[in-house]
Amino acid sequence: EAGVAQSPRYKIIEKRQSVAFWCNPISGHATLYWYQQILGQGPKLLIQFQNNGVVDDSQLPKDRFSAERLKGVDSTLKIQPAKLEDSAVYLCASSLDRQETQYFGPGTRLLVL
Amino acid sequence: GEDVEQSLFLSVREGDSSVINCTYTDSSSTYLYWYKQEPGAGLQLLTYIFSNMDMKQDQRLTVLLNKKDKHLSLRIADTQTGDSAIYFCAEGLSGNTGKLIFGQGTTLQVKP
Repeated sequence: EAGVAQSPRYKIIEKRQSVAFWCNPISGHATLYWYQQILGQGPKLLIQFQNNGVVDDSQLPKDRFSAERLKGVDSTLKIQPAKLEDSAVYLCASSLDRQETQYFGPGTRLLVL
Repeated sequence: GEDVEQSLFLSVREGDSSVINCTYTDSSSTYLYWYKQEPGAGLQLLTYIFSNMDMKQDQRLTVLLNKKDKHLSLRIADTQTGDSAIYFCAEGLSGNTGKLIFGQGTTLQVKP
């Protein structure tokens, strides 16, 4: 069974630029999560989708971050404009359903200069 | 609010047992998880325990849960150099979302 796929793996941008990350969850998984992991910290949930609907986006900085999950499969996370403090690893995870075990992708490492 | 705390660093000799500790605050958590993160990689699920269990053993891994003290531990028997990584404890919250709250991670260093 293929795991969670993410791209790109690395991205370097300058502040105020925009950037987008892509995630393909495990086939059949209804729930998709985006986490932000700042260096030296544990992952923090940004947004959670159930199929193509948002379940929890309480920690998403909505003035600059947006995410969508069209057709309930792939998802994109966008930052516009980026700030220095957005430098982090962005992890995508999926699970069969809410309350089920979450499986993580390799992450996208973002550096904002 | 929800909070998960871990010690930051543990160093052991190859062949010894490692014990990584974690405390959490939400008494209504459903599952508690241990994830492993190697350099430059995502999080790999190691094991999990349901909140009504006291212990779970899976090959070299033993998870102990003290629900009264909200304390979780992961014991790795016969620790190998390949076990060197960051270990994250996470609690799965009850309710509709299944949200995970992670600790800050424990770096395990295994010396040959």
